[in-house]
Amino acid sequence: AQSVSQHNHHVILSEAASLELGCNYSYGGTVNLFWYVQYPGQHLQLLLKYFSGDPLVKGIKGFEAEFIKSKFSFNLRKPSVQWSDTAEYFCAVTLHAGNMLTFGGGTRLMVKP
Amino acid sequence: DADVTQTPRNRITKTGKRIMLECSQTKGHDRMYWYRQDPGLGLRLIYYSFDVKDINKGEISDGYSVSRQAQAKFSLSLESAIPNQTALYFCATSPLDRNYGYTFGSGTRLTVV
Repeated sequence: AQSVSQHNHHVILSEAASLELGCNYSYGGTVNLFWYVQYPGQHLQLLLKYFSGDPLVKGIKGFEAEFIKSKFSFNLRKPSVQWSDTAEYFCAVTLHAGNMLTFGGGTRLMVKP
Repeated sequence: DADVTQTPRNRITKTGKRIMLECSQTKGHDRMYWYRQDPGLGLRLIYYSFDVKDINKGEISDGYSVSRQAQAKFSLSLESAIPNQTALYFCATSPLDRNYGYTFGSGTRLTVV
């Protein structure tokens, strides 16, 4: 069965710092990749997704992610974080031929003003 | 109105009680899912349904049951609640085309005492 690992459980940054959150998956076949964000007290919202094509994907709110197939990774980045980026971030994977999302354990990001 | 509505938003119940969590959607999606969220574990799939007559177990279905009353309604039941079912529960929907990803409800916070 596929699995998704997010190695950073908690990240604390100051405003304007750069962000990179790691995500690795275990499946060797073709996958679709997602990053979701959950702001405090809210439901999950889609930040960005990768299905095919350019491995550098740009999402909402200045976030981007890079798919590196050889490393089974899909890391999330943002050049300069804001206090409003404080949230929990989830990486998720689905098999290319399927529709079932498998989530990582989440990374809780706190941005200090 | 929200695209995916979950009721109740919060619930405290006693061990051994039966409880039902409800989910309704206005997206017109065929596929519906129930996940539970626990700190550090991300979201784990409980049950999913690809249409009214199709119900499938997810990775952690023990202790839960579901009912797909209509295309727009998917209920999750805990027949005899236990404290380790204390969690945040999310309903999600998706269309047949996986490119659109999932739409999540706002969640139900369930506490079993």
